[in-house]
Amino acid sequence: GAGVSQSPRYKVAKRGQDVALRCDPISGHVSLFWYQQALGQGPEFLTYFQNEAQLDKSGLPSDRFFAERPEGSVSTLKIQRTQQEDSAVYLCASSQTGTGTYGYTFGSGTRLTVV
Amino acid sequence: GENVEQHPSTLSVQEGDSAVIKCTYSDSASNYFPWYKQELGKRPQLIIDIRSNVGEKKDQRIAVTLNKTAKHFSLHITETQPEDSAVYFCAASSNTDKLIFGTGTRLQVFP
Repeated sequence: GAGVSQSPRYKVAKRGQDVALRCDPISGHVSLFWYQQALGQGPEFLTYFQNEAQLDKSGLPSDRFFAERPEGSVSTLKIQRTQQEDSAVYLCASSQTGTGTYGYTFGSGTRLTVV
Repeated sequence: GENVEQHPSTLSVQEGDSAVIKCTYSDSASNYFPWYKQELGKRPQLIIDIRSNVGEKKDQRIAVTLNKTAKHFSLHITETQPEDSAVYFCAASSNTDKLIFGTGTRLQVFP
């Protein structure tokens, strides 16, 4: 597609529920990133893929967070046993190369609200 | 790890005036510095970027300067317009590709 597509756009989950957030990057983009953006804050790095390989997951806040990109295209961020502090906008971004040479293109994000 | 500080957190200017947002970074290995504009409820959009081998870059009303010795970089918007109103984020990256973002500056341009 023309841009990075994320779904769902909004998600309300009860505390303790599992959620799965999807990211469809720009076709041919090698690198894919997940960021978490709390209200009024800058995006914070969660994890990074180059093709299907997860090269950095240092930003994942706990073992309840899991991301995958099995075929090097679509990626899913899964949050198990959601907590209120997980409420945020989850942004996905892709870039053309694996060297940071090009700026990211962000998706519109998934706004997760845990009640 | 890298830490990026950004200020001011809010900035109000009159239409036609200039706006300057400043960022500092901690990792001397950082070599890529993009700026993003985020309107309310929308995605961050890249507006300009600079690499460590360049001291200044300009694109119409927007310019970015980089001082590697002092580890700071700035965004300059001239002749501001109401549609420039948004939150602006700076970011820094080394060869690890991971962007570390500042905390954002809310710019308001009053007509």
